[in-house]
Parts: sequence; C-alpha cells; structure tokens
Amino acid sequence: QVQLVQSGAEVKKPGSSVKVSCKPSGGTFSSYAISWVRQAPGQGLEWMGGINPFFGTTNYAQKFQGRVTITADESTSTAYMELSSLRSEDTAVYYCARDARSDYLYFDYWGQGTLVTVSS
Amino acid sequence: DIQMTQSPSSLSASVGDRVTITCRASQSIRSYLNWYQQKPGKAPKLLIYAASSLQSGVPSRFSGSGSGTDFTLTISSLQPEDFATYYCQQSYTTPRTFGQGTKVEIK
Repeated sequence: QVQLVQSGAEVKKPGSSVKVSCKPSGGTFSSYAISWVRQAPGQGLEWMGGINPFFGTTNYAQKFQGRVTITADESTSTAYMELSSLRSEDTAVYYCARDARSDYLYFDYWGQGTLVTVSS
Repeated sequence: DIQMTQSPSSLSASVGDRVTITCRASQSIRSYLNWYQQKPGKAPKLLIYAASSLQSGVPSRFSGSGSGTDFTLTISSLQPEDFATYYCQQSYTTPRTFGQGTKVEIK
C-alpha cells in the first residue's frame, strides 16, 4: 500500500520561509513525479509545481515562480517544498501528490496534508 | 493558463438520485481530464482519470465522459458516502489547473 507521509503543521511569521517534506512508502522513489497542491481555508485546490526525481526536472506554476522551490533527496527518498516570503494568504493545507506512471498524468496517491499558518 | 469551470458550484440531492457535474475547459484538453472527490479534512481521492477511466477500487456508480472542452462526472445512484466536494483537473499542460469544485449536499 502506497502512502505519502508529510511533515507536521507549521506556524510561521510573515516574510519567513517554510519547508514541508513528503516521504512516499512503496514503489521506487525516483520512478514517480511528485507535485505540490495547496488549499486555502474553505477554498479549492491549487497546483503549485512538481518534480521528476528521475530526471531532476522541476515545473512551477507562474504564480509561485521565484518563491517556491521543490526538491527531491534520493538518499532519503523524500521530496520537499519550500515557500519563501510568506504572507497571510499562504495560510493553507499543503498536499504532496504522486503522479501515476501514465501518459495521462493524474494523482493516484496523496499525502495527508500539512497545515501552514502564517501569522504575526 | 487553461481555465476549468465546473457547474453547478453546489447541489442538493437525495440518496439514490442520479447526479451529474459538468466541467468545461477554456481550450481543448483532449482527454486529459481527471476527477477527484474530497471530504472535509481529508486529502482528495482520485475517481476518474483520462476523462472516463475508473480508478481501481472506485465504485462503478461513478463514471466520466467527454473530450475536448466538455466533460461530465455522473454518479448513477447517490450513496450516503458520496456527499463530498468534487473537483475536475486538467493534465494537458502546466499549470495543472483545477475546477472550483462542486459540493454535493444532502437534500
């Protein structure tokens, strides 16, 4: 059974950074791309970007370009999402999600979510 | 960016009802359309991928159709556990945009 286990909730000050981790269990880590999706309170889902650990390539939504960095550490089989220059609007649940190995690109497994609260 | 528009934004239905949710893309996305179900406080769950393929383990009362710009998610007979919010998502290009969601509530 595949599980994506994320790090715990964070409370951050405006202007600071947060780094959330995502560790898949089951499957070969480098065989699957990982994306990050966030959900502000009471709002919908927003794709932030993703990484393909096998190729080491990343892709970011324009909205987050320059503020988000997605990385993968193959030695620990862990993916990370770091968001900088935090503001109150970044308060959200952040999910990692795994891309199925398919030409159609869909998220077949999701992490449990990490609540990031930005507050002074 | 490709805009995904779902309708309705919410609906009320009874157990046993047939429910249809539509999703429209701002440009053709061929069959690169996925549907997810989300319950409060939980991560989304994949229901349908590639517009009409049922994810393993998902009940057959869920079905998807469409291609190009217009897509439909149908629940043939609504069950108590189906009350949730449903999102479509295009995977044709990045950013991989979601619809705004459709909340299915108990009538």
